[in-house]
Amino acid sequence: KQEVTQIPAALSVPEGENLVLNCSFTDSAIYNLQWFRQDPGKGLTSLLLIQSSQREQTSGRLNASLDKSSGRSTLYIAASQPGDSATYLCAADPTQGGSEKLVFGKGTKLTVNP
Amino acid sequence: DTAVSQTPKYLVTQMGNDKSIKCEQNLGHDTMYWYKQDSKKFLKIMFSYNNKELIINETVPNRFSPKSPDKAHLNLHINSLELGDSAVYFCASSQDSPLHFGNGTRLTVT
Repeated sequence: KQEVTQIPAALSVPEGENLVLNCSFTDSAIYNLQWFRQDPGKGLTSLLLIQSSQREQTSGRLNASLDKSSGRSTLYIAASQPGDSATYLCAADPTQGGSEKLVFGKGTKLTVNP
Repeated sequence: DTAVSQTPKYLVTQMGNDKSIKCEQNLGHDTMYWYKQDSKKFLKIMFSYNNKELIINETVPNRFSPKSPDKAHLNLHINSLELGDSAVYFCASSQDSPLHFGNGTRLTVT
């Protein structure tokens, strides 16, 4: 059974700092690994999706890496801003096609202080 | 022009009542989902519907029943509500990945 863990549960940094959020998964047989952002009172917004054949994906100040063999993914945020404050969730998808088997971590709550 | 919209945003009700949460998506996606996020923030899938067919149903009590009148709608009906049903319920849709989520319905059962 796939389990996804995110450490730390919460992180507070000053504005401008570069930071890394960690995600680990127990079953390396994944189709893709996804990172989401959740703002208070809102649903999840997809940030990056890394296919199992890829090592990393980049979008603006965000860079996500994937190491299937070690069961780890990281989300790197460069030059953090207060607007980056949110909860970041990773999810492992074991199957191609629909997302019904996506397994989520509990998230890391990030606070970027001005 | 919200992509995935669900109503109501908040729902407070007493134990034993029956309630429904509505969800609509205007993305033309084939598959819609219901997720439950409990007080410990775990997000778990409850149902998914693809072209009006239920294609997955995790170990969810049969008091919960999804209803899809058409491809753009997936409503969640809950009978005989219990205290443990209190959570945030998210609707989502996808055309393969990634998922597009609604803003959630916070259900409080008293």
